Amino acid sequence: DAKTTQPTSMDCAEGRAANLPCNHSTISGNEYVYWYRQIHSQGPQYIIHGLKNNETNEMASLIITEDRKSSTLILPHATLRDTAVYYCIVIPQSGGYQKVTFGTGTKLQVIP
Amino acid sequence: DGGITQSPKYLFRKEGQNVTLSCEQNLNHDAMYWYRQDPGQGLRLIYYSQIVNDFQKGDIAEGYSVSREKKESFPLTVTSAQKNPTAFYLCASSIIWGGGTEAFFGQGTRLTVV
Repeated sequence: DAKTTQPTSMDCAEGRAANLPCNHSTISGNEYVYWYRQIHSQGPQYIIHGLKNNETNEMASLIITEDRKSSTLILPHATLRDTAVYYCIVIPQSGGYQKVTFGTGTKLQVIP
Repeated sequence: DGGITQSPKYLFRKEGQNVTLSCEQNLNHDAMYWYRQDPGQGLRLIYYSQIVNDFQKGDIAEGYSVSREKKESFPLTVTSAQKNPTAFYLCASSIIWGGGTEAFFGQGTRLTVV
Protein backbone atom coordinates (compact mmCIF):
# COMPACT_ATOMS: atom_id res chain seq x y z
CA ASP A 1 0.00 0.00 0.00
CA ALA A 2 1.10 3.54 -0.69
CA LYS A 3 2.86 5.46 2.06
CA THR A 4 2.73 9.20 2.69
CA THR A 5 5.25 11.88 3.58
CA GLN A 6 4.35 14.99 5.56
CA PRO A 7 6.33 17.81 7.16
CA THR A 8 6.93 17.25 10.84
CA SER A 9 5.50 20.56 11.99
CA MET A 10 3.99 23.82 10.77
CA ASP A 11 2.87 27.10 12.28
CA CYS A 12 -0.08 29.19 11.15
CA ALA A 13 -1.38 32.54 12.35
CA GLU A 14 -4.89 32.52 13.72
CA GLY A 15 -7.41 33.56 11.08
CA ARG A 16 -5.13 32.71 8.19
CA ALA A 17 -5.39 29.71 5.92
CA ALA A 18 -3.40 26.65 6.94
CA ASN A 19 -2.08 24.65 3.99
CA LEU A 20 -0.83 21.19 4.94
CA PRO A 21 0.97 19.25 2.19
CA CYS A 22 1.21 15.50 1.74
CA ASN A 23 3.21 13.46 -0.71
CA HIS A 24 1.87 10.08 -1.84
CA SER A 25 3.85 9.42 -4.99
CA THR A 26 3.18 5.67 -5.05
CA ILE A 27 -0.61 5.92 -4.79
CA SER A 28 -2.53 3.55 -7.03
CA GLY A 29 -5.70 4.18 -8.99
CA ASN A 30 -8.10 2.63 -6.48
CA GLU A 31 -6.66 4.33 -3.39
CA TYR A 32 -8.24 7.28 -1.63
CA VAL A 33 -6.48 10.08 0.21
CA TYR A 34 -7.85 10.59 3.71
CA TRP A 35 -7.07 13.23 6.29
CA TYR A 36 -7.55 12.87 10.02
CA ARG A 37 -6.53 15.06 12.90
CA GLN A 38 -5.73 14.24 16.50
CA ILE A 39 -6.08 16.77 19.24
CA HIS A 40 -3.87 16.03 22.19
CA SER A 41 -4.90 12.92 24.14
CA GLN A 42 -7.99 12.29 22.03
CA GLY A 43 -8.81 9.83 19.27
CA PRO A 44 -8.20 10.86 15.66
CA GLN A 45 -11.08 12.59 13.93
CA TYR A 46 -11.96 12.27 10.27
CA ILE A 47 -11.68 15.48 8.25
CA ILE A 48 -12.08 14.80 4.56
CA HIS A 49 -11.20 12.37 1.80
CA GLY A 50 -10.92 12.30 -1.98
CA LEU A 51 -10.05 10.09 -4.91
CA LYS A 52 -9.04 12.46 -7.68
CA ASN A 53 -11.29 15.49 -7.58
CA ASN A 54 -10.93 18.37 -5.18
CA GLU A 55 -13.29 18.15 -2.23
CA THR A 56 -14.72 20.61 0.26
CA ASN A 57 -16.76 20.21 3.40
CA GLU A 58 -17.57 22.31 6.42
CA MET A 59 -14.17 21.64 7.98
CA ALA A 60 -11.69 21.86 5.14
CA SER A 61 -10.82 21.62 1.47
CA LEU A 62 -8.71 18.93 -0.15
CA ILE A 63 -6.73 19.69 -3.27
CA ILE A 64 -5.33 16.67 -5.12
CA THR A 65 -2.85 17.19 -7.95
CA GLU A 66 -3.77 15.92 -11.39
CA ASP A 67 -1.20 13.12 -11.21
CA ARG A 68 -2.52 12.26 -7.70
CA LYS A 69 1.01 12.12 -6.29
CA SER A 70 0.41 14.83 -3.74
CA SER A 71 -2.37 16.69 -1.98
CA THR A 72 -2.95 19.69 0.23
CA LEU A 73 -5.37 20.05 3.10
CA ILE A 74 -6.60 23.59 3.51
CA LEU A 75 -8.13 24.95 6.69
CA PRO A 76 -9.47 28.27 5.38
CA HIS A 77 -9.50 30.27 8.62
CA ALA A 78 -7.42 28.53 11.26
CA THR A 79 -8.44 28.90 14.90
CA LEU A 80 -6.62 27.94 18.07
CA ARG A 81 -8.83 24.84 18.25
CA ASP A 82 -7.26 23.62 15.01
CA THR A 83 -3.96 23.03 16.81
CA ALA A 84 -3.49 19.29 16.40
CA VAL A 85 -1.54 16.58 14.62
CA TYR A 86 -2.81 16.06 11.08
CA TYR A 87 -2.47 12.68 9.42
CA CYS A 88 -2.58 12.08 5.70
CA ILE A 89 -3.16 8.43 4.79
CA VAL A 90 -3.86 6.42 1.69
CA ILE A 91 -6.43 3.65 1.79
CA PRO A 92 -7.82 1.30 -0.86
CA GLN A 93 -11.43 1.57 -1.93
CA SER A 94 -12.28 -1.55 0.01
CA GLY A 95 -10.63 -3.85 2.49
CA GLY A 96 -10.30 -1.79 5.62
CA TYR A 97 -7.46 -0.14 7.50
CA GLN A 98 -5.24 -3.11 8.35
CA LYS A 99 -2.55 -2.09 5.88
CA VAL A 100 -2.81 1.63 6.48
CA THR A 101 0.17 3.38 8.05
CA PHE A 102 -0.51 6.30 10.36
CA GLY A 103 2.87 8.00 10.51
CA THR A 104 3.78 10.86 12.80
CA GLY A 105 1.75 13.37 10.78
CA THR A 106 2.16 17.15 10.79
CA LYS A 107 1.91 18.96 14.08
CA LEU A 108 0.07 22.20 13.32
CA GLN A 109 0.44 25.00 15.82
CA VAL A 110 -2.00 27.87 15.38
CA ILE A 111 -0.51 31.03 16.83
CA PRO A 112 -2.64 33.85 18.28
CA ASP B 1 -25.94 8.78 18.87
CA GLY B 2 -23.83 6.31 16.92
CA GLY B 3 -20.24 6.02 17.91
CA ILE B 4 -17.43 4.06 19.43
CA THR B 5 -16.81 3.98 23.15
CA GLN B 6 -13.66 3.05 25.00
CA SER B 7 -13.45 2.55 28.72
CA PRO B 8 -11.92 3.40 31.03
CA LYS B 9 -10.23 6.64 29.97
CA TYR B 10 -7.38 6.12 32.45
CA LEU B 11 -6.17 2.81 33.85
CA PHE B 12 -3.46 2.02 36.35
CA ARG B 13 -2.15 -1.47 36.92
CA LYS B 14 0.69 -3.12 38.73
CA GLU B 15 3.40 -4.78 36.74
CA GLY B 16 2.66 -8.43 36.03
CA GLN B 17 -1.11 -8.06 36.00
CA ASN B 18 -3.28 -8.64 32.97
CA VAL B 19 -5.68 -5.84 32.12
CA THR B 20 -8.60 -5.66 29.68
CA LEU B 21 -9.57 -2.54 27.75
CA SER B 22 -13.13 -2.23 26.53
CA CYS B 23 -14.25 -1.10 23.07
CA GLU B 24 -17.88 -0.98 21.96
CA GLN B 25 -19.41 0.38 18.76
CA ASN B 26 -23.03 0.85 17.65
CA LEU B 27 -22.23 1.78 14.06
CA ASN B 28 -22.86 -1.72 12.70
CA HIS B 29 -19.30 -1.78 11.38
CA ASP B 30 -17.78 -5.11 10.42
CA ALA B 31 -14.16 -4.11 11.02
CA MET B 32 -12.61 -3.13 14.32
CA TYR B 33 -9.01 -2.25 15.17
CA TRP B 34 -6.74 -1.72 18.13
CA TYR B 35 -3.81 0.69 17.95
CA ARG B 36 -1.07 1.66 20.33
CA GLN B 37 0.36 5.16 20.43
CA ASP B 38 3.52 6.16 22.27
CA PRO B 39 4.47 9.80 22.95
CA GLY B 40 5.32 11.67 19.76
CA GLN B 41 4.70 8.61 17.64
CA GLY B 42 2.13 7.51 15.11
CA LEU B 43 -0.42 4.75 15.53
CA ARG B 44 0.73 1.15 15.44
CA LEU B 45 -1.73 -1.64 14.70
CA ILE B 46 -2.02 -4.33 17.37
CA TYR B 47 -4.95 -6.48 16.18
CA TYR B 48 -7.85 -6.17 13.81
CA SER B 49 -11.05 -8.06 13.13
CA GLN B 50 -13.22 -8.05 10.04
CA ILE B 51 -15.90 -10.46 11.20
CA VAL B 52 -17.25 -11.95 14.38
CA ASN B 53 -15.15 -14.80 15.82
CA ASP B 54 -12.19 -13.93 13.63
CA PHE B 55 -9.24 -11.59 14.19
CA GLN B 56 -5.74 -11.09 12.83
CA LYS B 57 -2.45 -9.92 14.27
CA GLY B 58 -1.23 -6.50 13.36
CA ASP B 59 2.32 -5.19 13.49
CA ILE B 60 2.84 -5.40 17.27
CA ALA B 61 0.59 -8.20 18.56
CA GLU B 62 3.07 -9.78 20.97
CA GLY B 63 1.88 -9.54 24.56
CA TYR B 64 -1.70 -8.71 23.59
CA SER B 65 -4.86 -10.76 23.01
CA VAL B 66 -8.33 -9.96 21.70
CA SER B 67 -11.73 -11.53 21.20
CA ARG B 68 -14.65 -10.75 18.90
CA GLU B 69 -17.65 -12.63 20.22
CA LYS B 70 -20.10 -9.92 19.23
CA LYS B 71 -20.06 -7.52 16.30
CA GLU B 72 -20.29 -4.57 18.65
CA SER B 73 -17.44 -5.47 20.98
CA PHE B 74 -13.68 -5.92 20.56
CA PRO B 75 -11.91 -6.04 23.95
CA LEU B 76 -8.12 -5.93 24.19
CA THR B 77 -6.20 -7.71 26.95
CA VAL B 78 -2.75 -6.47 27.76
CA THR B 79 -0.97 -9.46 29.26
CA SER B 80 1.98 -9.66 31.59
CA ALA B 81 4.04 -10.77 28.58
CA GLN B 82 3.89 -7.26 27.13
CA LYS B 83 7.24 -5.81 28.14
CA ASN B 84 6.35 -2.13 27.96
CA PRO B 85 2.58 -1.78 28.28
CA THR B 86 2.39 1.86 29.35
CA ALA B 87 0.87 3.66 26.34
CA PHE B 88 -2.22 5.30 24.85
CA TYR B 89 -4.54 2.71 23.31
CA LEU B 90 -7.02 3.55 20.57
CA CYS B 91 -9.87 1.47 19.21
CA ALA B 92 -11.44 2.15 15.82
CA SER B 93 -14.08 0.72 13.53
CA SER B 94 -14.92 0.98 9.86
CA ILE B 95 -16.92 -0.60 7.09
CA ILE B 96 -14.91 -2.76 4.73
CA TRP B 97 -16.66 -2.77 1.41
CA GLY B 98 -17.78 0.29 -0.44
CA GLY B 99 -16.51 3.50 -1.86
CA GLY B 100 -14.34 5.12 0.75
CA THR B 101 -14.17 3.95 4.32
CA GLU B 102 -14.06 6.51 7.10
CA ALA B 103 -12.76 5.11 10.37
CA PHE B 104 -14.29 6.12 13.67
CA PHE B 105 -12.00 6.25 16.67
CA GLY B 106 -12.74 6.05 20.34
CA GLN B 107 -11.34 8.60 22.77
CA GLY B 108 -8.62 6.25 23.90
CA THR B 109 -7.49 4.57 27.11
CA ARG B 110 -4.29 5.70 28.74
CA LEU B 111 -2.73 2.73 30.48
CA THR B 112 -0.04 3.23 33.08
CA VAL B 113 1.72 0.23 34.56
CA VAL B 114 3.63 0.83 37.77
